[in-house]
Order: sequence, then structure tokens, then C-alpha cells
Amino acid sequence: GAGVSQSPSNKVTEKGKDVELRCDPISGHTALYWYRQSLGQGLEFLIYFQGNSAPDKSGLPSDRFSAERTGGSVSTLTIQRTQQEDSAVYLCASSLRRAAGTNTDTQYFGPGTRLTVL
Amino acid sequence: LAKTTQPISMDSYEGQEVNITCSHNNIATNDYITWYQQFPSQGPRFIIQGYKTKVTNEVASLFIPADRKSSTLSLPRVSLSDTAVYYCLGTSRGSYIPTFGRGTSLIVHP
Repeated sequence: GAGVSQSPSNKVTEKGKDVELRCDPISGHTALYWYRQSLGQGLEFLIYFQGNSAPDKSGLPSDRFSAERTGGSVSTLTIQRTQQEDSAVYLCASSLRRAAGTNTDTQYFGPGTRLTVL
Repeated sequence: LAKTTQPISMDSYEGQEVNITCSHNNIATNDYITWYQQFPSQGPRFIIQGYKTKVTNEVASLFIPADRKSSTLSLPRVSLSDTAVYYCLGTSRGSYIPTFGRGTSLIVHP
């Protein structure tokens, strides 16, 4: 079946511009995660959506970052007034549900969006 | 957030067994320990998951001691295509947010 898709695959923007990154999770997956990966670094958690619950925004690095998930499916990560330090690969992952009795889901990742801020 | 600690890099040769150990001192009591693999320009993908003792699948084995403060991913007879970054993943008590860390960059040489 179809996996997680993200668009665009690459985005080059100028400092100060706003950008929107899109994630289409696997159909039926209730949980959705956004991560950021800078060159040579690990994954930095940004935000988590679970069903209709309020999202966990504890990983967002500043108020320039925001995300929405419409209808429990597609999600958009918006970065306002981009800065050069925002350059990174932005990864989206979805999971079916929180496994019973545990807090660890198997996450399925998209290919990422490579953002370059000039 | 839980802190996981892994070696930054490892080198091996084709046909050898590779063991990558991760420490996760603050893992939540009811959490599983999960390992992911990431190739360049791709998102991570699930390899194996376990709670304690040993788990084996077609790709790898996972060894978890009784105290669950560490885990060891074992890759039997690696090939060049196993060159990737390997992440162990856990969550801390009271949190459901997974922590990936920087991972271990495994390079397999001919």
C-alpha cells in the first residue's frame, strides 16, 4: 500500500519568507509526528498529533513554527520568517495507534523535505 | 526526554557480525525498545522491537538485559547494503515522545 508522502521533496527559499511543508500519512494512522534532521545530526522531535487530541507542541523550537492536521489526515508544517538555521530535512512519520500497554508505536516515515534557506 | 547513548560510528567488513549497544537509563517501565535504520536521503525505517530478553527477526536480533537499561542490536553477517545509521529509540517515564538521538553510523567495508 501507499506509504507516507511528503511534499515538496526540496524547497529553497530566501531568508524571511514563509514556507509550508505537507505530509500525507498512511490512511488510517491516527498518530502523526514531525521531526527535523540537520546535516549529520539525529532526529529532533517537533510536534505530535494523536487522533482528535490537542497536539503536543513541546518540540517546536520557536513561535515561528506551527503545524496543523486537518480532518485527522493531512498535516502542514509552517515556518514563518525563515532563518538560515532552519535549513534541514523535515521528516514526517505516522503510526497506526499507540500499542496497548506501551508508549512505543512503530513509526512509518516519509522521504522528507529538504529545506534550504538562503 | 529520555537520553539514549550509542557509539557515534562503527566500522565492519562484509560477512562479520556487528553488535551496536545503546544505553537508555530512564526508559519508561512499560515501553518497548525499538531500533530504526536510516539510509542517506531516506527516512528511518523500523528494524526490530523488544521488551526484554531476546527478539529475532529476519533482519536482526535484539538483546535486552533484565534491568532494561541497555540493549544490543546484532546484525549477522553484514553486507555493504547494511551501511546506514542505526537509531535506538525509547521514551522516558511519563512521556510518550520518542527520542532518537544521533544514532550510530555503521560503515561496512568490502
